[in-house]
Amino acid sequence: RKEVEQDPGPFNVPEGATVAFNCTYSNSASQSFFWYRQDCRKEPKLLMSVYSSGNEDGRFTAQLNRASQYISLLIRDSKLSDSATYLCVARMGDYKLSFGAGTTVTVRA
Amino acid sequence: EAQVTQNPRYLITVTGKKLTVTCSQNMNHEYMSWYRQDPGLGLRQIYYSMNVEVTDKGDVPEGYKVSRKEKRNFPLILESPSPNQTSLYFCASSLRLALDEKLFFGSGTQLSVL
Repeated sequence: RKEVEQDPGPFNVPEGATVAFNCTYSNSASQSFFWYRQDCRKEPKLLMSVYSSGNEDGRFTAQLNRASQYISLLIRDSKLSDSATYLCVARMGDYKLSFGAGTTVTVRA
Repeated sequence: EAQVTQNPRYLITVTGKKLTVTCSQNMNHEYMSWYRQDPGLGLRQIYYSMNVEVTDKGDVPEGYKVSRKEKRNFPLILESPSPNQTSLYFCASSLRLALDEKLFFGSGTQLSVL
């Protein structure tokens, strides 16, 4: 079983819509979580960290549910520029990050 | 400009011909790591380094070597490349991963082994 699993999508949504997707992790000892954004096989870039109380950054909201071992990302008022693959990442120990395979979001005009 | 520089961007080689992918960061980061990315599998860690002369295996180290003689450089060496090492490779660095410092990635190296 993969350590971090994501629905690959794609999620096709119109501009202005809200889209949300989850990521599950298998290791309950995972210490912290992140969402990275990756555009078309370019380098991933940190979108946001996920705190236990949830985290909001503009149109993006991330939440953590430790009991059910999942992290969610919600994008409000989607823009064309939000089209990307979103990578869920869990930190396990001091030097190990486990990446999900990514969820693809396509925002159409 | 703070960055991770990875070279080459594209590389086509033949089975068995040794190659090195270079990675350099100018941010004085302690932590550096190599990943490969394959469709449907996400990024998988190959090797990582906590500091100069300190390296350790990630999830998929077979067929790869690394060295960390200087803080800024972390080359990835394929002594005898095989077609199953065809992949997109990323180098990344972080000030101190254990403190949840973010990862900075290089632009990637698309390697094809024929």
